[in-house]
Amino acid sequence: AQSVTQPDIHITVSEGASLELRCNYSYGATPYLFWYVQSPGQGLQLLLKYFSGDTLVQGIKGFEAEFKRSQSSFNLRKPSVHWSDAAEYFCAVGPSRGGNKLTFGTGTQLKVEL
Amino acid sequence: EAGVAQSPRYKIIEKRQSVAFWCNPISGHATLYWYQQILGQGPKLLIQFQNNGVVDDSQLPKDRFSAERLKGVDSTLKIQPAKLEDSAVYLCASSLGGDRGPQHFGDGTRLSIL
Repeated sequence: AQSVTQPDIHITVSEGASLELRCNYSYGATPYLFWYVQSPGQGLQLLLKYFSGDTLVQGIKGFEAEFKRSQSSFNLRKPSVHWSDAAEYFCAVGPSRGGNKLTFGTGTQLKVEL
Repeated sequence: EAGVAQSPRYKIIEKRQSVAFWCNPISGHATLYWYQQILGQGPKLLIQFQNNGVVDDSQLPKDRFSAERLKGVDSTLKIQPAKLEDSAVYLCASSLGGDRGPQHFGDGTRLSIL
C-alpha cells in the first residue's frame, strides 16, 4: 500500500529565511510525486510534480523539490520565504502522471513571522 | 479558463439530516474526484468518475454516501443520513484523465454536523 509521511505538523520560519518541508513516501512501484499548497478556505493548488528524469524539479512561486530514491524522500524547498507563503502544504504520491489514486500526507502548516 | 466550481461553500446541518454538494469541473475534463478532508488530515479520495462511470469508490461509505455524474459533466455528492464524523471539507477535483495532466481542485464545501 502506498503512504506518505510528513513528519512536521507545524513549521515557523522568518520571512526571508530558507524553507525545507519534509516528505517521505512508501510505494511499491515507480512513484509519481506531487506537492500541493492549500490556503485557508481554498482548494489545493499544484506546486510541482516529479515523474522521472532530473531529480530536482522546479515549481511555481519559487519552490523546488528534490527526489531521493535511496531515502524515499521528496522534500520541498524555497530559498527565501515570503509572508504570502503561509499556508498548508501537502505531499502526495500516486501511480500515474494524471494523479489518479493519490495518497496525501497529513500536511505541514507553515507560519511565516515578519 | 474557469476553475472547478463547488457549491455551497458552507453547510450546517443536524445529525441524521441529509445534504448534497454540487461540483462543476473544468470544461473538457473527463475525470472527476470527490475527496473528504477532515480537520488536520490530508484529503482522502471518496470516489473517482471517468466521464459518467465510476472508476474507484472503494473508500466511499456506501451505506450513507452516494454520488452521481449525470452526462459526464456535473456531479453531486449526497450524504444521508449524516453523522457527526462526517464534519469535514468536501473537495471536488477534475483532470483531463489518464496521464494527461494533474488534478485541479475546487475551493470545497465545509460541512458542519451539529
